Amino acid sequence: DAGITQSPRYKITETGRQVTLMCHQTWSHSYMFWYRQDLGHGLRLIYYSAAADITDKGEVPDGYVVSRSKTENFPLTLESATRSQTSVYFCASSEQYGQGEAFFGQGTRLTVV
Amino acid sequence: AQSVSQHNHHVILSEAASLELGCNYSYGGTVNLFWYVQYPGQHLQLLLKYFSGDPLVKGIKGFEAEFIKSKFSFNLRKPSVQWSDTAEYFCAVTTSGTYKYIFGTGTRLKVLA
Repeated sequence: DAGITQSPRYKITETGRQVTLMCHQTWSHSYMFWYRQDLGHGLRLIYYSAAADITDKGEVPDGYVVSRSKTENFPLTLESATRSQTSVYFCASSEQYGQGEAFFGQGTRLTVV
Repeated sequence: AQSVSQHNHHVILSEAASLELGCNYSYGGTVNLFWYVQYPGQHLQLLLKYFSGDPLVKGIKGFEAEFIKSKFSFNLRKPSVQWSDTAEYFCAVTTSGTYKYIFGTGTRLKVLA
């Protein structure tokens, strides 16, 4: 099915482990984004990307790494997970520069124990 | 850096009551404004957006928003809410020269049947 999909939907990991959250979109949208959603903070931008091999830091990038070797994929890696990274992570994509609708995935609920 | 403020964190209304959710942004240049809704357990969906032209924009499900440039505001309104409007509502902005979406902290709306 066309759209934006995230995997896994739920993940429990231990402190210090590396974990990668996957994001795949089938529209060939140029712009992709990673957000984390936390109570009281709303959605905060972690990283964003304008195209393959072009990425930028958002508001809260520390502890995260992204890559974008293909237009359709935008994985987010937590290099050494910490409890403060327990959150719901949303991936989004957009076709237009700043004016189009951002389409969101279903989210990944990550718990770091 | 641009930011978005949503001062109403929790709102409780009875069915058929009128709704107005506040959104203010901090940026002096050209902005594009959005309202998203997140139903319980779901991803964000676009309600409406403003780029230019008529400052009163209408969206889905009877929602509308008014852009008041002099007040840096983009408040969301609905004349008569329904129980199914129970959700979290997010205001977002993009600004000229960037394509990243900056979100507010969200407003949780509960509509009592």
